[in-house]
Amino acid sequence: DAKTTQPNSMESNEEEPVHLPCNHSTISGTDYIHWYRQLPSQGPEYVIHGLTSNVNNRMASLAIAEDRKSSTLILHRATLRDAAVYYCILRDPGGTSYGKLTFGQGTILTVHP
Amino acid sequence: DTEVTQTPKHLVMGMTNKKSLKCEQHMGHRAMYWYKQKAKKPPELMFVYSYEKLSINESVPSRFSPECPNSSLLNLHLHALQPEDSALYLCASSQVHLAGGKETQYFGPGTRLLVL
Repeated sequence: DAKTTQPNSMESNEEEPVHLPCNHSTISGTDYIHWYRQLPSQGPEYVIHGLTSNVNNRMASLAIAEDRKSSTLILHRATLRDAAVYYCILRDPGGTSYGKLTFGQGTILTVHP
Repeated sequence: DTEVTQTPKHLVMGMTNKKSLKCEQHMGHRAMYWYKQKAKKPPELMFVYSYEKLSINESVPSRFSPECPNSSLLNLHLHALQPEDSALYLCASSQVHLAGGKETQYFGPGTRLLVL
């Protein structure tokens, strides 16, 4: 499985944008890039996913580099409720790992009031 | 309704006990998952069920026994656990297994298990 690398932690102030980076230099052409987050004392929650083009939804935006070796999750205005562990995950649509979510260590996001 | 429910929320058991964890979803999803999460670690996949059949077993010890009685229910039967099995056990579901890498998983809040 292709691996992802994320910073261990990041900090932000409330109502400011947050850019969470993820490196995936060994990504294959068919891997989807998924982001999940886990709020304290809760199960993980889907945030967004993409393949090649940038994606937007009500929670966040996903910016994917042209070579797909990195991506950035963008929270446009962080709130205290966005404090969580953010996981960047590559999903292989085929092969022996299909159906699996392989979580890395993730980035702990702290949001200051 | 995009909710996955898990019961119980907390469970304390001895090493000789038998207990079961229960997971339920009513989203019509045909893939269901069990994950284990140790403190301050990411979740790790244990089992995947696809159309009520066991699809993936990540070499989990036999003291953990999954069961999928119907498309809405997933159980995890526990027997003769060890203290190192203490963890948060998460259930998840998705619309269909093998959906080309695009399907999203919906997670329950987990059962926090303590083995004494």
